Amino acid sequence: DGGITQSPKYLFRKEGQNVTLSCEQNLNHDAMYWYRQDPGQGLRLIYYSQIVNDFQKGDIAEGYSVSREKKESFPLTVTSAQKNPTAFYLCASSLRGSDTEAFFGQGTRLTVV
Amino acid sequence: DQQVKQNSPSLSVQEGRISILNCDYTNSMFDYFLWYKKYPAEGPTFLISISSIKDKNEDGRFTVFLNKSAKHLSLHIVPSQPGDSAVYFCAASIFKAAGNKLTFGGGTRVLVKP
Repeated sequence: DGGITQSPKYLFRKEGQNVTLSCEQNLNHDAMYWYRQDPGQGLRLIYYSQIVNDFQKGDIAEGYSVSREKKESFPLTVTSAQKNPTAFYLCASSLRGSDTEAFFGQGTRLTVV
Repeated sequence: DQQVKQNSPSLSVQEGRISILNCDYTNSMFDYFLWYKKYPAEGPTFLISISSIKDKNEDGRFTVFLNKSAKHLSLHIVPSQPGDSAVYFCAASIFKAAGNKLTFGGGTRVLVKP
């Protein structure tokens, strides 16, 4: 089954620690994205990558870092510099080209304790 | 600066009736629009999309209308079913500028009453 997998589903982190969220896809998509959702709000773009070894900042990149060493993988690191890291994080992927939709993973809920 | 807005945070409709969800955008460069459905603690699932060269796209019970001059799109669900109860997000992209990077609205929570 093709799809996009995020792990873990729930993650707890102590304040001041870095944590890495995993995102893997086997859809052969070139483009991958990380979004953040806060309660009662829409999705905001953190980082995106159109191709391996290249990525761009989204609207709220501060306090986050990413890598794109493989086409299938786009991990997101939430650093201690992120002031409000508690949120629901969503990874997505898409083909490159017009008229194509993005497919989302099931999300990771990060809670800072 | 919110470029995509869904001004109705919630909508309640009777089963079998029509649900109309609205979305406004400010950036005239957007050329592709999508609607996603989302259940709590899950990722959004794609519903329907429309290119800026069209003004209507239909898929089963779902129809999306695009009014470029008004920078407005709407999603019609008819007939509404209890399983349609979810949060609906509209999204837009500027393909030439940034591929398929999506800008989302804030969402509309739909409740379909049996």
